[in-house]
Amino acid sequence: GAGVSQTPSNKVTEKGKYVELRCDPISGHTALYWYRQSLGQGPEFLIYFQGTGAADDSGLPNDRFFAVRPEGSVSTLKIQRTERGDSAVYLCASSLQGDRDPPNTGELFFGEGSRLTVL
Amino acid sequence: GIQVEQSPPDLILQEGANSTLRCNFSDSVNNLQWFHQNPWGQLINLFYIPSGTKQNGRLSATTVATERYSLLYISSSQTTDSGVYFCAVERGYGNKLVFGAGTILRVKS
Repeated sequence: GAGVSQTPSNKVTEKGKYVELRCDPISGHTALYWYRQSLGQGPEFLIYFQGTGAADDSGLPNDRFFAVRPEGSVSTLKIQRTERGDSAVYLCASSLQGDRDPPNTGELFFGEGSRLTVL
Repeated sequence: GIQVEQSPPDLILQEGANSTLRCNFSDSVNNLQWFHQNPWGQLINLFYIPSGTKQNGRLSATTVATERYSLLYISSSQTTDSGVYFCAVERGYGNKLVFGAGTILRVKS
């Protein structure tokens, strides 16, 4: 597709369950990001991939959160032992990796998000 | 970390009016982007503008990096402009953006 694709669009789960959220970035974009947006707030950075490796995971709130991008394209955000406070919209974004030094990744393009509700 | 302040927090316009949204940031940046989040939650990139001026149709943006602010201008507003406008900045180049709290815009017909 032309844009960033995220599935599921909505996920309702019970406290303590495991959840996976999937992101398919724009074709050709090497940089992939996960952000989280709580109600009434701006998005907050979680983790950034350059290719297959996590270049920066400093925004992950705790070790219940983990993300992978095994082939450098699709990414999965995994949340273990979900808590009610994890309820939010999880946004995936991608951008081109520029060729300057340091590389300028330019415009960030977001998917429509996965709304997670933990009961 | 870097702080981002957007003003005004809320704005109501009559269709056809013009508006200016402001973004102040607390440190020098190499990356600044404006986004529009529509009522369905989709974030649309409006401008990548760490410095200078850009225009795209009825929208334009100016960033004065030395004075640590950016302005987003909306002319001849339409009801479809409604939503939340976010400014986001980064000291580096990696798109690890820090978002402001946003300006909620309502355009009435």
